[in-house]
Amino acid sequence: QKEVEQNSGPLSVPEGAIASLNCTYSDRGSQSFFWYRQYSGKSPELIMSIYSNGDKEDGRFTAQLNKASQYVSLLIRDSQPSDSATYLCAVQFSGGSYIPTFGRGTSLIVHP
Amino acid sequence: GAVVSQHPSWVICKSGTSVKIECRSLDFQATTMFWYRQFPKQSLMLMATSNEGSKATYEQGVEKDKFLINHASLTLSTLTVTSAHPEDSSFYICSAADSNQETQYFGPGTRLLVL
Repeated sequence: QKEVEQNSGPLSVPEGAIASLNCTYSDRGSQSFFWYRQYSGKSPELIMSIYSNGDKEDGRFTAQLNKASQYVSLLIRDSQPSDSATYLCAVQFSGGSYIPTFGRGTSLIVHP
Repeated sequence: GAVVSQHPSWVICKSGTSVKIECRSLDFQATTMFWYRQFPKQSLMLMATSNEGSKATYEQGVEKDKFLINHASLTLSTLTVTSAHPEDSSFYICSAADSNQETQYFGPGTRLLVL
């Protein structure tokens, strides 16, 4: 069973802090990794994709991938209350299927 | 970025009626679209994969005769919930994959309430 694991949270951080969201996956051969943000009552929106080991930065967001340890993380710098949402990790496993598997999501609360 | 639309955004219907939900990719061609369902405070559940010009592939436990999927063009897929019942009330979200089929872009979702 190929799985994507996330801590459901909630993760509570003060405004201006760095929020760190983590995701582990079971298939060592996975190639593509995605972070989506989902506000309450809304559909997910893509934040970042990452395919290679290391860091990928986009504005206040940094995705980190470590294939050897089978984890991918998302860092949000200078967290704002508007970042409060559920963050979904998605992994495209190896073995032919291109359909990504989603984790259950981590709820992030940024308090003023 | 790629834009996916859904219509309607809200629908309320009586038990036993059928409801059709449309999913459109507005600025790209999507050979593959996906239909998800999400109950309150739960994770996304993939219902089926919709391939243009062929039959949809349903996930285990999803009734293909109840959730009819049609993907007649590269920009449109429809989900019809037949003989809807209150337990079908949920948030239905479609997504479309881009040409390299690596990234999914989600529609805004359709909230269905069956009375």
